Amino acid sequence: ELKVEQNPLFLSMQEGKNYTIYCNYSTTSDRLYWYRQDPGKSLESLFVLLSNGAVKQEGRLMASLDTKARLSTLHITAAVHDLSATYFCAVGSGSEKLVFGKGTKLTVNP
Amino acid sequence: DGGITQSPKYLFRKEGQNVTLSCEQNLNHDAMYWYRQDPGQGLRLIYYSQIVNDFQKGDIAEGYSVSREKKESFPLTVTSAQKNPTAFYLCASTYTRDGVGYGYTFGSGTRLTVV
Repeated sequence: ELKVEQNPLFLSMQEGKNYTIYCNYSTTSDRLYWYRQDPGKSLESLFVLLSNGAVKQEGRLMASLDTKARLSTLHITAAVHDLSATYFCAVGSGSEKLVFGKGTKLTVNP
Repeated sequence: DGGITQSPKYLFRKEGQNVTLSCEQNLNHDAMYWYRQDPGQGLRLIYYSQIVNDFQKGDIAEGYSVSREKKESFPLTVTSAQKNPTAFYLCASTYTRDGVGYGYTFGSGTRLTVV
């Protein structure tokens, strides 16, 4: 059974600082997704990572995938308040399902 | 514009009552999903469907039922057998290639509360 673990679950950072969120998963998969969720809202797709070594960047966020280590990272560079949200990773299971981590609640303080 | 529409946004259920949550997509996606979100729990899969007239149970299907009579529609019924239905429900869809989903899109969600 595929399990997905994110850490940390809560992250409080100052504006301008860098930090990394980690996503570990327990069985082989070739699809990993990162989503953002604002309070009371739905999920917004951030990144789709489909191969080992894949790296994608959008603004202050960069995601990478190491399928051999079963690890993905979401790196935040020079955080700003607008990045405050909950971030989820999700891993493809079999041919059709996604298994989600519990999410990382990020708070960026001035 | 293409997307997924969930309704209603808020829903209140009395004890012993069945309620149905609507999910409609115009993305021409083959596969559709229902997830439940509780605080601190992430998302858990309730049911999914890859083709019309076929669906499979997810990890927490007890107390729920679905139908897939049309490609565009995948309604979820929360039955009286679901003892703790208060949660945020999210519908998603994806296009598939060789049976693998790649482009998941989520609806705006329905917040269900038992009164």
